Amino acid sequence: QQQVKQSPQSLIVQKGGIPIINCAYENTAFDYFPWYQQFPGKGPALLIAIRPDVSEKKEGRFTISFNKSAKQFSLHIMDSQPGDSATYFCAASRTTDSWGKLQFGAGTQVVVTP
Amino acid sequence: GAGVSQTPSNKVTEKGKYVELRCDPISGHTALYWYRQSLGQGPEFLIYFQGTGAADDSGLPNDRFFAVRPEGSVSTLKIQRTERGDSAVYLCASSSTPRTSGHNEQFFGPGTRLTVL
Repeated sequence: QQQVKQSPQSLIVQKGGIPIINCAYENTAFDYFPWYQQFPGKGPALLIAIRPDVSEKKEGRFTISFNKSAKQFSLHIMDSQPGDSATYFCAASRTTDSWGKLQFGAGTQVVVTP
Repeated sequence: GAGVSQTPSNKVTEKGKYVELRCDPISGHTALYWYRQSLGQGPEFLIYFQGTGAADDSGLPNDRFFAVRPEGSVSTLKIQRTERGDSAVYLCASSSTPRTSGHNEQFFGPGTRLTVL
């Protein structure tokens, strides 16, 4: 059973648009929520992460919004560029659970057209 | 410095054969994880090592899967009597000893694509 549900499965935006990816979780023991970016043939790479005591975090053009009461979090890619075309995974983990083994969402394939 | 490396990058085998997949973590990282990524899915946790010991093997699908890390560095994932359903990308990740603040970033290797014919 998937502990983190991610949507949409794919999305296409034009350059400069703002793709938004949403994730939901059930386990309230999760205390770390990272987003990973994966290019074809490569392993996932950490993009940005948030803890549940913060409602928003920005790093460059990437922003995480976190809603603890709704058990949802989302990734916004501001001013998207063709180089942002990749698959994005949300994940969740618990500090005390195997030093943070990750539960991943199913992924969102993002295509940014020129 | 060098990242996590995995060999081979691709492995094609026949149903029923035995395979070994190797992971070289980042030097000094004590934690090592194996994940399996099926086509179109997110990675799924298989096993976690802290040093030489398998601290959590709850994600291994059955007893055909086994992993070792004898010297606390390189790890090998072993699959016996492979089945077509084992076809996937097997990812390895490593992280350094967590600080009291909790999470350390997991650094992933490029994966080994296993195809069972």
